[in-house]
Amino acid sequence: DSGVTQTPKHLITATGQRVTLRCSPRSGDLSVYWYQQSLDQGLQFLIQYYNGEERAKGNILERFSAQQFPDLHSELNLSSLELGDSALYFCASGRQGAGEQYFGPGTRLTVT
Amino acid sequence: AQKVTQAQTEISVVEKEDVTLDCVYETRDTTYYLFWYKQPPSGELVFLIRRNSFDEQNEISGRYSWNFQKSTSSFNFTITASQVVDSAVYFCALSEGAGNNRKLIWGLGTSLAVNP
Repeated sequence: DSGVTQTPKHLITATGQRVTLRCSPRSGDLSVYWYQQSLDQGLQFLIQYYNGEERAKGNILERFSAQQFPDLHSELNLSSLELGDSALYFCASGRQGAGEQYFGPGTRLTVT
Repeated sequence: AQKVTQAQTEISVVEKEDVTLDCVYETRDTTYYLFWYKQPPSGELVFLIRRNSFDEQNEISGRYSWNFQKSTSSFNFTITASQVVDSAVYFCALSEGAGNNRKLIWGLGTSLAVNP
């Protein structure tokens, strides 16, 4: 158990819909990272927050947005969903500097 | 551009064999960090090791060992006396950025199957 929690574990929704994925980091970790893992693209970094502020951005679509709240939990919002958004979405948390990132169990999103 | 290459897509071995997973990276940074993660069939990503660019000492942890060679930009991972529980996808990753603004660049992973 990494100490990072993600909800929900599974999500099935239809094209065009909007969903919110939730992540709680390990106690003491200020950084939260979001990743997408799909069969054809592998693991892709989406976005990083550090203590409530956006710090790094990767291949995140404009239809996707994220935020980190004062209690440090984070939400990833995915809107106007397409079939290609079906993937495993991971949240990770870490401490300062170049420390390792600890991953949550992931949310498996299926868009039908 | 920063890049991580894991040339072996799939490896299949018989239990108790030794197996080496290759990882080659590209970076312009002089300070960087390399990682290995394991993703078993259950799907979670498990941190195995972090290595910084200034420390080229090899590391051993039980049956796992890592060989970091800056001259060849490689960070290979060896499992000695493999076991069925080692069956998983293994990812090598490179950390880029500075300070608290870092992201991991991932290889595509090597799927290891250890057969009884």
